[in-house]
Amino acid sequence: DTEVTQTPKHLVMGMTNKKSLKCEQHMGHRAMYWYKQKAKKPPELMFVYSYEKLSINESVPSRFSPECPNSSLLNLHLHALQPEDSALYLCASSQGQGRDEQYFGPGTRLTVT
Amino acid sequence: GESVGLHLPTLSVQEGDNSIINCAYSNSASDYFIWYKQESGKGPQFIIDIRSNMDKRQGQRVTVLLNKTVKHLSLQIAATQPGDSAVYFCAENIWGSYIPTFGRGTSLIVHP
Repeated sequence: DTEVTQTPKHLVMGMTNKKSLKCEQHMGHRAMYWYKQKAKKPPELMFVYSYEKLSINESVPSRFSPECPNSSLLNLHLHALQPEDSALYLCASSQGQGRDEQYFGPGTRLTVT
Repeated sequence: GESVGLHLPTLSVQEGDNSIINCAYSNSASDYFIWYKQESGKGPQFIIDIRSNMDKRQGQRVTVLLNKTVKHLSLQIAATQPGDSAVYFCAENIWGSYIPTFGRGTSLIVHP
């Protein structure tokens, strides 16, 4: 199984809502990533987890809160988002914290109203 | 600022032609490069990579060329097919980093 799954596929939320994005992989990968991608732009790294510990936070606002409950799951908790946070949120995983191939999920299309 | 960029944002080709997608990078400390393909509604997919101690690497129908002198990277796709239509991103890893920095992206459109 070389698949990274993400739920939900689409999400519309108001600025006062709290929601969570979920990502799952069963490849035994120990590094997991959250990226944000705006339309017609490259993915921008948000967070990196390595062996279930947060190793990189690219100065992401605190309204985005990542969580790695176990080695297969990665969540992104959302609270008090702004309309400019509307984007495609991509999850990826790789074997370890090295130059291993990253496997991306299909993303969650988030719209903040 | 962004250190990896592309010369052509959109490339249109006929089915069966060879495609060449170019990428310029500015960080001379970059020592590892990756090409990704992103189809509509999907996440990026690894295509091929190359390390800075190489100047050419071939895969199935794809070839990546690296010219460190002019900091230029290209992806050649042979006998382009409609299924190759996608956005292609080059990405670089600076020496010591395992996190790729993505370039701007080129949209490849293949006409049947």
